Amino acid sequence: GDSVTQMEGPVTLSEEAFLTINCTYTATGYPSLFWYVQYPGEGLQLLLKATKADDKGSNKGFEATYRKETTSFHLEKGSVQVSDSAVYFCALRGSNTGKLIFGQGTTLQVKP
Amino acid sequence: GAVVSQHPSRVICKSGTSVKIECRSLDFQATTMFWYRQFPKKSLMLMATSNEGSKATYEQGVEKDKFLINHASLTLSTLTVTSAHPEDSSFYICSAREAGEKNEQFFGPGTRLTVL
Repeated sequence: GDSVTQMEGPVTLSEEAFLTINCTYTATGYPSLFWYVQYPGEGLQLLLKATKADDKGSNKGFEATYRKETTSFHLEKGSVQVSDSAVYFCALRGSNTGKLIFGQGTTLQVKP
Repeated sequence: GAVVSQHPSRVICKSGTSVKIECRSLDFQATTMFWYRQFPKKSLMLMATSNEGSKATYEQGVEKDKFLINHASLTLSTLTVTSAHPEDSSFYICSAREAGEKNEQFFGPGTRLTVL
């Protein structure tokens, strides 16, 4: 079945460092891909998405490109801030089922 | 984005009792609601999908008699954990979506259930 694999955390960075969180997927058909963020004590929020190959999703300085050839959707940000500290979830929505399938989440901690 | 609330945010109960968790969409009509369970350092696992006014569809391995889901209105869904046991302790998260599969899902903040 469809699945999502994320790099294990926690990821600890200093402020203004470059961030990459790897995400790869397995799916039949043409899934849509998402990154969600969960700040402490809050629900998951959609960060960005891409619905077809080579699309780039971007929001709040974060970017991810839908790479069909490598089945990846890595999250990147050029300069992280302390306020970016959160748990990040990669997810796909299968074209067959319409259900969201999540990766295990990666905790990011940014230190001043 | 739209707001989804859950109540309670945290509950502790004795083994054998039942616990009800409410999920509300505050500013939109949620024709479809989803219930997830999240274990520590694990992914969110979809438990069931419910459409307003109809029976919930449960994922494989989820006991429908143990996890009762009611989606009686376009703004409210409830999850009742019946005869709870310690292994049911977990973080339960609901999500709501307006009509249409491609619409965004909005997530509640979750409910931490601890069964003693």
